[in-house]
Amino acid sequence: NAGVTQTPKFQVLKTGQSMTLQCAQDMNHEYMSWYRQDPGMGLRLIHYSVGAGITDQGEVPNGYNVSRSTTEDFPLRLLSAAPSQTSVYFCASSSRSGWDGYTFGSGTRLTVV
Amino acid sequence: AQTVTQSQPEMSVQEAETVTLSCTYDTSENNYYLFWYKQPPSRQMILVIRQEAYKQQNATENRFSVNFQKAAKSFSLKISDSQLGDTAMYFCAFMKPLAGSNFGNEKLTFGTGTRLTIIP
Repeated sequence: NAGVTQTPKFQVLKTGQSMTLQCAQDMNHEYMSWYRQDPGMGLRLIHYSVGAGITDQGEVPNGYNVSRSTTEDFPLRLLSAAPSQTSVYFCASSSRSGWDGYTFGSGTRLTVV
Repeated sequence: AQTVTQSQPEMSVQEAETVTLSCTYDTSENNYYLFWYKQPPSRQMILVIRQEAYKQQNATENRFSVNFQKAAKSFSLKISDSQLGDTAMYFCAFMKPLAGSNFGNEKLTFGTGTRLTIIP
């Protein structure tokens, strides 16, 4: 089925460890984004990309890194995990116009201990 | 920067009743898109309904409809004949298209959500 695929679905990290959350879409969407969801705070934008080779920071970028070498893939890297990064992470993609809304992956629940 | 406010953290309603979720936003833009997303316990984000600010007619999708008041910057969601499967978090979201719909869009900005429970 076409859509956004995120892996892993669950992850536990120790403070200071690094990891990469994977995201891939097969809809040829130009726009891809990473959000984090925390209780009472809605979804906040971490980083986004408007096309291959182009990325920019969102609202809460600190501690995260992204790259976009292909249209399909947009991985999110946690450089040195901290307990404050415990959250649910969503990858999303959209067409250029955005009128169809964003298509979301199923999310990754990350716990940093 | 645009902000989206959902003032009802939690709501509950009896099955088959009608419920309205409120959303207000702050922007200086004239054209923009508004969305309602549903997030059931499965965690999946599902687009429920969308509205373009240029269109005065309120959007409707089956049992879901909106009351879009542009001057008041209000975008409420009405769910008619509520069903148990409507139990979920509901997020209101704002997006600004850039220079016409083919030129791109800015980020999707979300409210903090309303947790809706449908009571059997």
